[in-house]
Amino acid sequence: DIQLTQSPSSLSASLGDRITISCQPSQDVRKYLSWYQQKPGQAPRLLIYDSSILEPGVPSRFSGSGSGLHFTFTISSLQPEDIATYYCQHYYSLPPSFGQGTKLEIK
Amino acid sequence: QVHLMESGGGAVQPGGSLRLSCATSGFTFSTFGMHWVRQGPGKGLEWVAFIRFDGSNEHYADSVKGRFTISRNNSENTLYLHMTSPSPEDTAVYYCVKDGGRTYYDFWRGGYSPLYYMDVWGKGTTVTVSS
Repeated sequence: DIQLTQSPSSLSASLGDRITISCQPSQDVRKYLSWYQQKPGQAPRLLIYDSSILEPGVPSRFSGSGSGLHFTFTISSLQPEDIATYYCQHYYSLPPSFGQGTKLEIK
Repeated sequence: QVHLMESGGGAVQPGGSLRLSCATSGFTFSTFGMHWVRQGPGKGLEWVAFIRFDGSNEHYADSVKGRFTISRNNSENTLYLHMTSPSPEDTAVYYCVKDGGRTYYDFWRGGYSPLYYMDVWGKGTTVTVSS
């Protein structure tokens, strides 16, 4: 099974800051990794798939990059509505798995 | 517009049983695989099970194998999760998730292999296992 190591587990930042989250699979997943945003009491929302492709309607301040064994998720300028927990997920093989999550808070 | 609505959650005693349902609309249900994903209280996301578009193949997380059964009724556009012998560790919000139906070319196998890409999520139904 492929494990995803996501870091940091929590992050405190100021509005307007650039924030970066890392996700490292235990095996090569090529480009097949997604990023989700989850707000309290809500289902996860798909933001990015295939490492870097934004879902329609997702603001351009969100971006993703990477392949193989290292991926990065970036918010270029943190907005109040971005406060949430973010998860990476690979879908290259069974079982698909998720990172442990990164809880983003306002400093 | 794709819509997934889970139901059937509630309280169940350890060792009991419960069946979750997921009513779907807005897409051709019979042509897409489906997943169940869960999230324990204050915890992260955990994939639970997957079923092929035609119901011919099922896959389970080790944590539920032998206790949970995923099934589908393509004539009623509905997905199910039958939970037996639940334990308190199965307490979670259970999400019904549509698979994206994508594949990639596997050079080693010389053919196309499925991706388990999840593109649409329901709002979830809560299961509480407690005596």
